[in-house]
Amino acid sequence: GESVGLHLPTLSVQEGDNSIINCAYSNSASDYFIWYKQESGKGPQFIIDIRSNMDKRQGQRVTVLLNKTVKHLSLQIAATQPGDSAVYFCAESSAGGTSYGKLTFGQGTILTVHP
Amino acid sequence: NAGVTQTPKFRVLKTGQSMTLLCAQDMNHEYMYWYRQDPGMGLRLIHYSVGEGTTAKGEVPDGYNVSRLKKQNFLLGLESAAPSQTSVYFCASSYSAGGGYEQYFGPGTRLTVT
Repeated sequence: GESVGLHLPTLSVQEGDNSIINCAYSNSASDYFIWYKQESGKGPQFIIDIRSNMDKRQGQRVTVLLNKTVKHLSLQIAATQPGDSAVYFCAESSAGGTSYGKLTFGQGTILTVHP
Repeated sequence: NAGVTQTPKFRVLKTGQSMTLLCAQDMNHEYMYWYRQDPGMGLRLIHYSVGEGTTAKGEVPDGYNVSRLKKQNFLLGLESAAPSQTSVYFCASSYSAGGGYEQYFGPGTRLTVT
């Protein structure tokens, strides 16, 4: 069945370093991927998304890379700041059809940034 | 523009009690979703709605019911609460699902069933 998983449950970095959070997915039909950031006691917050017809997309300090060959997704955060400390979730969806945009979430990676 | 709001923020129930969680969005979104999040886990879809008057089951629907009488509101009901329903509940909405539009999340409701 569909599943989205993360390789590393925790990641600790120093302020100013670059962070890379990885995610594997198993549904070949997935065509939309999204990264969320969740701070303690809050709901998930959108970071960046990417569609399957792309392999890279950049935002402000963040880049998402998609490798459909190996069903792998990564989130890169440049110059990581203490405010980036949070749990990061990847999620996938199959747009269209009867999926109705339902997102399947991964377990999450805890990112801790040390000053 | 408040986005997605949820009430209540916290609630403690005894086993067998019932309650309704309210989700409201002011973005005129068609799609709304209810998720639960348990410790160390991602979000799991309980029920969702693709428009006013429609609802459908998600991944973990047992023990829950929903209603979407108005486009802006999505209610999640627990008829007879069980300790296994202790969780944080998140509501989300999106403009449309077909184009991969992002889901906007509310702040969550922390429910404890004793």
